[in-house]
Amino acid sequence: EDKVVQSPLSLVVHEGDTVTLNCSYEVTNFRSLLWYKQEKKAPTFLFMLTSSGIEKKSGRLSSILDKKELFSILNITATQTGDSAVYLCAGGNAGGTSYGKLTFGQGTILTVHP
Amino acid sequence: NAGVTQTPKFRVLKTGQSMTLLCAQDMNHEYMYWYRQDPGMGLRLIHYSVGEGTTAKGEVPDGYNVSRLKKQNFLLGLESAAPSQTSVYFCASSSRDQPQHFGDGTRLSIL
Repeated sequence: EDKVVQSPLSLVVHEGDTVTLNCSYEVTNFRSLLWYKQEKKAPTFLFMLTSSGIEKKSGRLSSILDKKELFSILNITATQTGDSAVYLCAGGNAGGTSYGKLTFGQGTILTVHP
Repeated sequence: NAGVTQTPKFRVLKTGQSMTLLCAQDMNHEYMYWYRQDPGMGLRLIHYSVGEGTTAKGEVPDGYNVSRLKKQNFLLGLESAAPSQTSVYFCASSSRDQPQHFGDGTRLSIL
């Protein structure tokens, strides 16, 4: 059975802090690791990682994948209150599509205080 | 610029009632998915479809049925609702070169 585990489950920081969110996975026929941000409604796509060691960046957010150790991290620098959300990690298998079926972790609840 | 639209947004049912959740996407995506989200459990895949007229079971399919008669629509049915199906339901769609794009969810309560 495929499994994705995120840690920590919740995190409270102050504006300006840097945070690291962790995601470990066990996914059959693994193809990709995706990160989503979920505020009040729909999860919104952040990153997709398919190759080890190549960092992806978008503004203050960055992510990297280690396919040997089966984990990924999401870093957020200089956090802002708008970063408060649930961050979801998902592992994708082959499944006949480019992204395949996704197995999601439990999510990390990030709260950023002013 | 609608993306993925879910109908209804909220619904309260009594145990044993049936209902259908509708998902519509306007991005011409081949693949569509139904998930449920429960506290502390992330998103769990119920059923998915890789094309019009085809569906497949996901991780938690029991108690649900789906149909994809048109490429843009994916319906999720509950034949006899149970309190354990109280959840937030999300629909998503994707294509070969796009990640899954989610709707805003349907909050379903079963009494």
